[in-house]
Amino acid sequence: GQQLNQSPQSMFIQEGEDVSMNCTSSSIFNTWLWYKQEPGEGPVLLIALYKAGELTSNGRLTAQFGITRKDSFLNISASIPSDVGIYFCAGQQDYNNDMRFGAGTRLTVKP
Amino acid sequence: NAGVTQTPKFRVLKTGQSMTLLCAQDMNHEYMYWYRQDPGMGLRLIHYSVGEGTTAKGEVPDGYNVSRLKKQNFLLGLESAAPSQTSVYFCASLDTGEFPDTQYFGPGTRLTVL
Repeated sequence: GQQLNQSPQSMFIQEGEDVSMNCTSSSIFNTWLWYKQEPGEGPVLLIALYKAGELTSNGRLTAQFGITRKDSFLNISASIPSDVGIYFCAGQQDYNNDMRFGAGTRLTVKP
Repeated sequence: NAGVTQTPKFRVLKTGQSMTLLCAQDMNHEYMYWYRQDPGMGLRLIHYSVGEGTTAKGEVPDGYNVSRLKKQNFLLGLESAAPSQTSVYFCASLDTGEFPDTQYFGPGTRLTVL
């Protein structure tokens, strides 16, 4: 099946630093999504991308849908302690159907 | 509005036992999903449903069955549990009425099979 390779696996950063993580695949996806999961909870959608080349922001978060439709990245600017969590990318080939997730990037922010 | 709820929160089974996980949503969503989450592997789709009375297989359907008899409920069954099914199970429902389409996840069920 389609595999999503997400990197890095984990990040330890200082409060105020910018963060960048990415997701790549050998398959084309028509939708890319980024989720955040906090301990003991389900993932929460941060950003959804629907067009190749699209750049979308949500507050301090910015995500881009790669031109080849095989990759996406997520940037977090000026990180704060509450950004701590696991960030997952997800790709979808067909509308509302099978969604594939990356393995996650665990973010730790030191005050 | 409770959102997506899952029952039970925790369960320990012996190999070969059966059980049903219940997912309920009160948002009138058509689409519902069951995922499992294992360390280092992210979420993997088990089964999903695009409406009452319909179900479809996801990425890892073997060993599981599902039913969607009522729109608000999506049940995940394990007929004969195996240790490989030890995982955290998440249910989600999809809201296609707002842009972007948003999946709402439940809090998860932690299942251990001994």
